[in-house]
Amino acid sequence: DVKVTQSSRYLVKRTGEKVFLECVQDMDHENMFWYRQDPGLGLRLIYFSYDVKMKEKGDIPEGYSVSREKKERFSLILESASTNQTSMYLCASSEQGNIQYFGAGTRLSVL
Amino acid sequence: AQSVTQPDIHITVSEGASLELRCNYSYGATPYLFWYVQSPGQGLQLLLKYFSGDTLVQGIKGFEAEFKRSQSSFNLRKPSVHWSDAAEYFCAVGDSWGKLQFGAGTQVVVTP
Repeated sequence: DVKVTQSSRYLVKRTGEKVFLECVQDMDHENMFWYRQDPGLGLRLIYFSYDVKMKEKGDIPEGYSVSREKKERFSLILESASTNQTSMYLCASSEQGNIQYFGAGTRLSVL
Repeated sequence: AQSVTQPDIHITVSEGASLELRCNYSYGATPYLFWYVQSPGQGLQLLLKYFSGDTLVQGIKGFEAEFKRSQSSFNLRKPSVHWSDAAEYFCAVGDSWGKLQFGAGTQVVVTP
């Protein structure tokens, strides 16, 4: 079974803090994705990566950055957390053009 | 640009009754279409997918969906729902690179 693991289920941070959300997949997938999920808006793509050290902006990249130093790990970084970044964050991985497999999500609260 | 519309934000259905969730998409080429389900506090699980071929696709948990190109639709159905089907359901359209565009989701409540 594909396993996508997000390091934290719940996270509480203060405004202005630098926040790291970590995601690891164990299926040697090329592609990895970060989404945020908000009620009534579905999932919106923040960033994605097609290969190590490669990254592409999604639909809502502002306020976020990413890092992919190893194939299995894709990190989402909030350089200076703000209250409007309080949300559920979901990581996914896939082979090229194929099904995405999701982690359980990280619910981030920024106070 | 691709987009997905799920017209129903919330559906309430009795246990044992049939369920149909609507999904309309906009995409210039032949779409890759997906339905995912999310139980409370969980990530998304794939129910079924359409890439090509037979327009009626079967998925897990007794779900099926029908691709209708003329209507740009990919509606999800289940003949008889169980209380465990209470969840949020997302339709998505994908491109050949594997990027997905999701709908806003439909919350399904199952009553006894």
